[in-house]
Amino acid sequence: SQKIEQNSEALNIQEGKTATLTCNYTNYSPAYLQWYRQDPGRGPVFLLLIRENEKEKRKERLKVTFDTTLKQSLFHITASQPADSATYLCALVISGGYNKLIFGAGTRLAVHP
Amino acid sequence: KAGVTQTPRYLIKTRGQQVTLSCSPISGHRSVSWYQQTPGQGLQFLFEYFSETQRNKGNFPGRFSGRQFSNSRSEMNVSTLELGDSALYLCASSLPGVQETQYFGPGTRLLVL
Repeated sequence: SQKIEQNSEALNIQEGKTATLTCNYTNYSPAYLQWYRQDPGRGPVFLLLIRENEKEKRKERLKVTFDTTLKQSLFHITASQPADSATYLCALVISGGYNKLIFGAGTRLAVHP
Repeated sequence: KAGVTQTPRYLIKTRGQQVTLSCSPISGHRSVSWYQQTPGQGLQFLFEYFSETQRNKGNFPGRFSGRQFSNSRSEMNVSTLELGDSALYLCASSLPGVQETQYFGPGTRLLVL
């Protein structure tokens, strides 16, 4: 069956450290993978997109990797800050799926001062 | 530019009633998607409209329907409400061809009693 899995347990890290979040999928062939941030009571906010033929993407303190062989994406936040505390969602876009995003359940990140 | 707006923000209905939710996309965005978010199932795709046509549909019963107007505004309707329809309903808009990056609204919180 098709699945997208993210760490269901909250990730607690100390300010200044690097947070690494994982997104694994099975039985999908995504054209791209996206990462979103969601704060309580708000809609998700787009962070980064990585295509199937890209290995790595960076934006400021954020870095995403995409390994289509392992069927895994890793999302890194370097020099994390308490303001980075939120739920992070990965989403797959299937080729020809227009704007149909298939979301993982999300991982809650808590950055402690 | 104004973001995606959704009305109403909160709604309480009783079982068996119907409800209509509204979404105004970012100016110039012609694609509007709807998602349901619940603690148990996460974010699930309902449907997507582009130029007043439904292009994609998720696995929801026929009680869930939508439409898009010529100004790209969209409505979704849920008939014969069930307790399990209690959720955050999110609307997202996007520019065609921009790798399906979705811009989400704040959502409508629906509670069915």
